[in-house]
Amino acid sequence: ETGVTQTPRHLVMGMTNKKSLKCEQHLGHNAMYWYKQSAKKPLELMFVYSLEERVENNSVPSRFSPECPNSSHLFLHLHTLQPEDSALYLCASSQDPGTGLGEQYFGPGTRLTVT
Amino acid sequence: LAKTTQPISMDSYEGQEVNITCSHNNIATNDYITWYQQFPSQGPRFIIQGYKTKVTNEVASLFIPADRKSSTLSLPRVSLSDTAVYYCLVGDRGGSARQLTFGSGTQLTVLP
Repeated sequence: ETGVTQTPRHLVMGMTNKKSLKCEQHLGHNAMYWYKQSAKKPLELMFVYSLEERVENNSVPSRFSPECPNSSHLFLHLHTLQPEDSALYLCASSQDPGTGLGEQYFGPGTRLTVT
Repeated sequence: LAKTTQPISMDSYEGQEVNITCSHNNIATNDYITWYQQFPSQGPRFIIQGYKTKVTNEVASLFIPADRKSSTLSLPRVSLSDTAVYYCLVGDRGGSARQLTFGSGTQLTVLP
């Protein structure tokens, strides 16, 4: 596969469930990102990893827990979510470590519905 | 952080050239201007990036006047498949990703 892939593409979970979103990039990039996009709202940057270290955390609730085991994989662990967490969760990667406005490549997203 | 202002929506017809203007009055010296395109339920896709004057690639052109307080994304001969939301972002390429703020963007609708 090429580019940035995300699994699952769709997820429905109850508020007491624990689930994980997975992102994989096949571009040899050094930085990876999680974004949230709620209906009719702009994208919100959640987390940034550079060379497997978290460098940004935009005041995201602790019920979202990221993990970056290596530069190609990024996970978002979810637990005790709220209905307002229903959104499209997007993963992205870029060449430059340390973030910045370099070109970012986005995955197709995971459509999450919390019931 | 440089704030950007774009029209909320634009309509065009197939085959026309579309110009979307973005205002960024407080752009900093080190800031670049980047445009992304997003289709429904998909991640944004990088279109073009520039610093000054004009940049052209196979998809679009980006015009930046000398004062850099605005920029115009030009899409030549649009088709129905160009219907999407277009985002203008301004920031330092070496800066924090926190500045990578996607605003509301411009919803472009191409009509037959």
